[in-house]
Amino acid sequence: AQKITQTQPGMFVQEKEAVTLDCTYDTSDQSYGLFWYKQPSSGEMIFLIYQGSYDEQNATEGRYSLNFQKARKSANLVISASQLGDSAMYFCAMREVHTGGFKTIFGAGTRLFVKA
Amino acid sequence: DSGVTQTPKHLITATGQRVTLRCSPRSGDLSVYWYQQSLDQGLQFLIQYYNGEERAKGNILERFSAQQFPDLHSELNLSSLELGDSALYFCASTPQLAEGDTQYFGPGTRLTVL
Repeated sequence: AQKITQTQPGMFVQEKEAVTLDCTYDTSDQSYGLFWYKQPSSGEMIFLIYQGSYDEQNATEGRYSLNFQKARKSANLVISASQLGDSAMYFCAMREVHTGGFKTIFGAGTRLFVKA
Repeated sequence: DSGVTQTPKHLITATGQRVTLRCSPRSGDLSVYWYQQSLDQGLQFLIQYYNGEERAKGNILERFSAQQFPDLHSELNLSSLELGDSALYFCASTPQLAEGDTQYFGPGTRLTVL
């Protein structure tokens, strides 16, 4: 069955340092998409970055990069130069084809705390 | 602002009641997704519509139903409400049905069932 695992319930990072949030996934499909979302305390879901299963290069979006290791089925999010505003919940998600549409499953999330 | 709107923002109701949550996708987006976020179950995919047709179904209870109208807005109907239905309900939209389409989420409707 499809599954997303985020093993770090909470993480602390010093401001201006880099941090890696772990995500592993399980699927038997060859084609899928991987996403990361940020959810601040205000509750909205903010898209950060996308990686397609056939993309050979790791995705980057500003301070966010996705370390995609297909053979290991991992899609870790790297945030460089952490800022206080990065304190939030981070969700890894996988989208797969499902009966004519798409189904997206989310991990349990990692709460990131950025220390001044 | 993602461009996806959801109303109402908050909803408080009693067990056994029925409510309707409304979602307007971003301009031009044809596909709408509904999600439920609760403390015990996390973020769960409920259902997807594309141009008025149901396309994918997730962990949606039989007491819940949804539809997408010709103007592309969508409604999620929750009936015979139980305490456990208290959650944040998100709507998201994408332009088409491509796997790489980014889902832009609305602000959510927080449902409290008393």
